[in-house]
Amino acid sequence: DAGVTQSPTHLIKTRGQQVTLRCSPKSGHDTVSWYQQALGQGPQFIFQYYEEEERQRGNFPDRFSGHQFPNYSSELNVNALLLGDSALYLCASTVPGQWETQYFGPGTRLLVL
Amino acid sequence: SQKIEQNSEALNIQEGKTATLTCNYTNYSPAYLQWYRQDPGRGPVFLLLIRENEKEKRKERLKVTFDTTLKQSLFHITASQPADSATYLCALDINAGNMLTFGGGTRLMVKP
Repeated sequence: DAGVTQSPTHLIKTRGQQVTLRCSPKSGHDTVSWYQQALGQGPQFIFQYYEEEERQRGNFPDRFSGHQFPNYSSELNVNALLLGDSALYLCASTVPGQWETQYFGPGTRLLVL
Repeated sequence: SQKIEQNSEALNIQEGKTATLTCNYTNYSPAYLQWYRQDPGRGPVFLLLIRENEKEKRKERLKVTFDTTLKQSLFHITASQPADSATYLCALDINAGNMLTFGGGTRLMVKP
């Protein structure tokens, strides 16, 4: 049983560019959350998708957007990249009705130059 | 402002001893608190969840306490092993919707 998978594993972009990160949830999971983790800090909640809609959103600008597909996989898009967007981007999924326990993927390391 | 604080300094202990990590929070009334383990370059792994009406929870060598009056949780690893070396994160669900808010984590180093 595959866990949460994310792609790509690493990415280098320049300021002003746009990036798309992808996440496939654990089998049987229907809710996907995205987090940003800067070096040496804890993860920060970006948003959560359920039934293909954004269910909750953290304190992130509109440059951060997402999408959930019918197969529950999800994308995170970041426009107009800033140096400060360099971080580990984590995706987490949860079992239907058991939203408390989140299963995290390995993350995508984004470096903005 | 709302804060979740963990000791940012690394905790170094000898193998076999009990490691105790602290998580303090302010201005929250969480329904539950969670602890995660994170290894370098990996995503966090869920360890334990404790609810507001529970004082203590155990899982194998792990023990978590939750004092809603002090707004503090303690995380204990008994008979620690070098393999327990990692960063440990506490997290709160601040609005009952699984928008987890994490502390900064504490790095634990267990020396043989």
